[in-house]
Amino acid sequence: QITLKESGPTLVKPTQTLTLTCAVSGFSLSTNGVSVGWIRQPPGKALEWLALIYWDDEKQYSPSLKSRLTVTKDTSKDQVVLIMTNMDPADTATYYCAHFHYHDNVRYFDYWGQGTLVTVSS
Amino acid sequence: EIVLTQSPGTLPLSPGERATLSCRASQSVSSSYLAWYQQKPGQAPRLLIYGASTRATGIPDRFSGSGSGTDFTLTISRLEPEDFAVYYCEQYGSSPLTFGQGTKLEIK
Repeated sequence: QITLKESGPTLVKPTQTLTLTCAVSGFSLSTNGVSVGWIRQPPGKALEWLALIYWDDEKQYSPSLKSRLTVTKDTSKDQVVLIMTNMDPADTATYYCAHFHYHDNVRYFDYWGQGTLVTVSS
Repeated sequence: EIVLTQSPGTLPLSPGERATLSCRASQSVSSSYLAWYQQKPGQAPRLLIYGASTRATGIPDRFSGSGSGTDFTLTISRLEPEDFAVYYCEQYGSSPLTFGQGTKLEIK
């Protein structure tokens, strides 16, 4: 059974750096064809894709946030980490990690974490 | 960047009625890379449809997806009370991955 769970601070101050961890189970981050993504959702607004990391350590980022984002994985700990620098109140959102299925000629997020709400405020 | 425009923004319907939700892309999207998600308040999104028309595991057959190119549709044949939620389309045929702004299906 595949599960993902996000963790990290619920409150950060403007200009600070946010570090979120996604703990995964039911699959290995080093298995050929595995990918995990980060998506966020400001309160009452739409979903926004942030980043993807693949089993071979390839990474992809949203162009609008690329300069502020870093995604890494620790295979031994079954964790994916998202780092976002220079946080702003506009970054207040629920942050989700999700398993990304990208083989068999289809692509989609099939398993999602519960999400973690991050508020940016002084 | 491919922009996905969903319409209508809000769709008021009654249980038992048919719902038709639209997702229009600013450029052609391969059907293989178009998905639909359902999100209820306080919950994470749930995958409904992938490859434009394939139901995900456990999704009732009242949900169906269709379309190609720039026009895609999610249809719910007979609305159940639990279907009232927000629906998002998503594409990753072309980088960056993008989501539509959502359609809120509300009880009339």
